[in-house]
Amino acid sequence: EAQVTQNPRYLITVTGKKLTVTCSQNMNHEYMSWYRQDPGLGLRQIYYSMNVEVTDKGDVPEGYKVSRKEKRNFPLILESPSPNQTSLYFCASSLKEGTYEQYFGPGTRLTVT
Amino acid sequence: AQTVTQSQPEMSVQEAETVTLSCTYDTSESDYYLFWYKQPPSRQMILVIRQEAYKQQNATENRFSVNFQKAAKSFSLKISDSQLGDAAMYFCAYRSAVVSGTASKLTFGTGTRLQVTL
Repeated sequence: EAQVTQNPRYLITVTGKKLTVTCSQNMNHEYMSWYRQDPGLGLRQIYYSMNVEVTDKGDVPEGYKVSRKEKRNFPLILESPSPNQTSLYFCASSLKEGTYEQYFGPGTRLTVT
Repeated sequence: AQTVTQSQPEMSVQEAETVTLSCTYDTSESDYYLFWYKQPPSRQMILVIRQEAYKQQNATENRFSVNFQKAAKSFSLKISDSQLGDAAMYFCAYRSAVVSGTASKLTFGTGTRLQVTL
């Protein structure tokens, strides 16, 4: 089954404790992206990757890091989480060209206290 | 930069009735894609319908259809014969047809929460 998986689905952590949210897709997609969803703001892009070892900032990259060492994986790293990073996070993937439909993971609810 | 505006934070519709959700966008590009995503309480983002800007014909998917007005930069979603399972947050989104990093992102509106009543 074609899908994007994220782990964990829920995470409660404390300020300053490094964490990683994993994202994996099995569709051989070149393009992967991270979004955060906040009430009243919709979804905003954090980082994206056009292919292996090619990553760049989105609209709200501060406080986040990513890596793309393999085509299927695109982890999101919060080196020193702060309460303003409490949010719902989505990973998405798509082909670089073509229909441009993005496939979303199930979301990760992160709370930073 | 492109922007997407959904001016209706909440809407309500009776079961079996028709409802229209509004979306406007701003862009200087001529070729792009527009989407409506549904987000039920499970939080999963589900693609409802897609419209290519170069197509004049409005997209339709079963009970869901759009009214795409390119000159007015308007992209509304019509849900016919509303069902209880249609209750969700609906997001309008824009994506450039240019193949480049920044342009490949989805730009979302702030969402419209749809209630379906008996």
